[in-house]
Amino acid sequence: DVKVTQSSRYLVKRTGEKVFLECVQDMDHENMFWYRQDPGLGLRLIYFSYDVKMKEKGDIPEGYSVSREKKERFSLILESASTNQTSMYLCASSPQSYGWPDTQYFGPGTRLTVL
Amino acid sequence: SQQGEEDPQALSIQEGENATMNCSYKTSINNLQWYRQNSGRGLVHLILIRSNEREKHSGRLRVTLDTSKKSSSLLITASRAADTASYFCATDERDSWGKLQFGAGTQVVVTP
Repeated sequence: DVKVTQSSRYLVKRTGEKVFLECVQDMDHENMFWYRQDPGLGLRLIYFSYDVKMKEKGDIPEGYSVSREKKERFSLILESASTNQTSMYLCASSPQSYGWPDTQYFGPGTRLTVL
Repeated sequence: SQQGEEDPQALSIQEGENATMNCSYKTSINNLQWYRQNSGRGLVHLILIRSNEREKHSGRLRVTLDTSKKSSSLLITASRAADTASYFCATDERDSWGKLQFGAGTQVVVTP
């Protein structure tokens, strides 16, 4: 079974703190994604990566950065957390199907609260 | 941007009944997927239907796709309490290289 793990289920941080959310997948997938999920808005893509050290902006990258130094690990960084970044953060991975998107496998999510 | 939009936003049914939810999207797609999310958890893939397919079945799930109307439906037959969850459709636009656009979801409650 594909396993995608996220470093924390719940996280509480203060405004202005630097926050790291870690995601690890064990299936050698090329693609990894970070989403945030807010009520009534569904999932919105923040960043994705299709290879080590490669990253692409999603729909809402402002206030976030990412790092992918190893294939299995994709980190989301909030450089200076703000209250409007309080949300559920979901990581996902998928294999590279060369133009035919495959299913995405999700981690359990991190519920981040910024005070 | 939100590509898929589910309808209804919420659905409440009794065990044994069928549940139907719809998804509409805006642009040409390669395929459409349905995911389930149990409360406070990650999403789980249910079924994928390609743009050249019209109907697909998986156990108690039946998905249809009408590309001329840019819409899809998910039918869950003989629902169970364990089907209580939020259901999301996700689409990928042509040349999007693996990126998916998710709708806001349909929240389904199945009561015993």
